[in-house]
Amino acid sequence: QLQLQESGPGLVKPSETLSLTCSVSRGSISSRTYYWVWIRQPPGKGLECIGTMYYDGGAYRGAYNNPSLGSRVTVAVDTFKNQFSLKLNSVTATDAAVYYCAINYSDGSGSFHWGQGALVTVSS
Amino acid sequence: QAVVTQEPSLTVSPGGTVTLTCGSSTGAVTSGHYPYWFQQKPGQAPRTLVYDTTNKHSWTPARFSGSLLGGKAALTLSGAQPEDEADYYCLLYYSRARVFGGGTKLTVL
Repeated sequence: QLQLQESGPGLVKPSETLSLTCSVSRGSISSRTYYWVWIRQPPGKGLECIGTMYYDGGAYRGAYNNPSLGSRVTVAVDTFKNQFSLKLNSVTATDAAVYYCAINYSDGSGSFHWGQGALVTVSS
Repeated sequence: QAVVTQEPSLTVSPGGTVTLTCGSSTGAVTSGHYPYWFQQKPGQAPRTLVYDTTNKHSWTPARFSGSLLGGKAALTLSGAQPEDEADYYCLLYYSRARVFGGGTKLTVL
């Protein structure tokens, strides 16, 4: 069973950049087509998709970012390390959340593998 | 970006039936939105119950079923159990965008 692990600082100062990395911690990606997805959940609130990047068996295709976050968000893939990263600039208290990474296979299997989540607090 | 709407909260009696719905600000939800339904319990990551409108995983209890109903995606729980008390989120695909609904807090009481 594929397992994902988020890593990065749990505390970020206001106006600074939140950086997280997602790694495959057990198993391997077994689909030729899939999306990497970053999702966040503020305390006591719902889920929000931050950004995605698509792999179609040949290469990673363009990232899609939630327009509500504007140009603050950057998602990228390190193909060498098979890691997915998230950078969110100019954070404020409203960016405090549990951040999840996920892999969603687009092969009709419906597989949606989640990481355990990383709590990020924004405070000076 | 589209807005996906769900009932904020619902209550069902043990053994009862309840339907959760998932609507889209862009119009009717169709199979082309590939509706997913996730269940989340406190302190846990969400887990998929239903994908592509009606498909279930091996771990999805048979009492859950997905459908399209009146222009919305729907998740029906027939024969509610106490362990079904949780938050439920739908997810719709809009081309490359993925948008979650606000979630439904389901109480079994």
